[in-house]
Amino acid sequence: SYELTQPPSVSVSPGQTASITCSGDKLGDKYAHWYQQKPGQSPVVVIYQDERRPSGIPERFSGSNSGNTATLTISGTQAMDEADYYCQAWVTNTAVFGGGTKLTVL
Amino acid sequence: QLVESGGGLAQPGGSLRLSCAASGFRFSSYDMNWVRRAPGKGLEGLSYISTGGSTIYYADSVKGRFTVSRDNAKNSLYLQMYSLRVEDTAVYYCARRGGSGYYFDYWGHGTLVTVSS
Repeated sequence: SYELTQPPSVSVSPGQTASITCSGDKLGDKYAHWYQQKPGQSPVVVIYQDERRPSGIPERFSGSNSGNTATLTISGTQAMDEADYYCQAWVTNTAVFGGGTKLTVL
Repeated sequence: QLVESGGGLAQPGGSLRLSCAASGFRFSSYDMNWVRRAPGKGLEGLSYISTGGSTIYYADSVKGRFTVSRDNAKNSLYLQMYSLRVEDTAVYYCARRGGSGYYFDYWGHGTLVTVSS
């Protein structure tokens, strides 16, 4: 079965840039989406179709996807960005999620 | 808006039926999904159902035990869960697959399923 691999945790200082990777076989041939989930809340998409940002999502969120790796980048990270982040891709009609990355803003 | 219901406590081997009521959009035009998050774990895509219900997929972890269905006349999505296991304990979300690239653009608030004796 298809797997997406994320680092379990990433730490960043306020104002710095955080990068979260998502690796999968030929992931660049698929669309990667990224979701943010805060405790007690439902997930929210922050990046879709590799690099597109939904309305209402701050410009500091950006994404890329090439080869076997998709990357979510948060520039000028703020305390409010502390959350779990998940990448997701479709394999046939199965939604595959990465294991999630806990972003800590120290 | 998506609103799940039907969660609760079930015994191992038991069953539960989850519902997801949709409003504010043309439900029949969207593929729908169930996703769960177990305590201390990440998101897991469980099932997919196409707009008319003719195409259905399941994750291996629930295949043969869970059945997804929808009633477009009632704007509702369902997940019938049988042979529940302790490891099925999770918050279950219904999610709409929409938008460019087919991302999950709307999620319900989730309903908690606890499987315990």
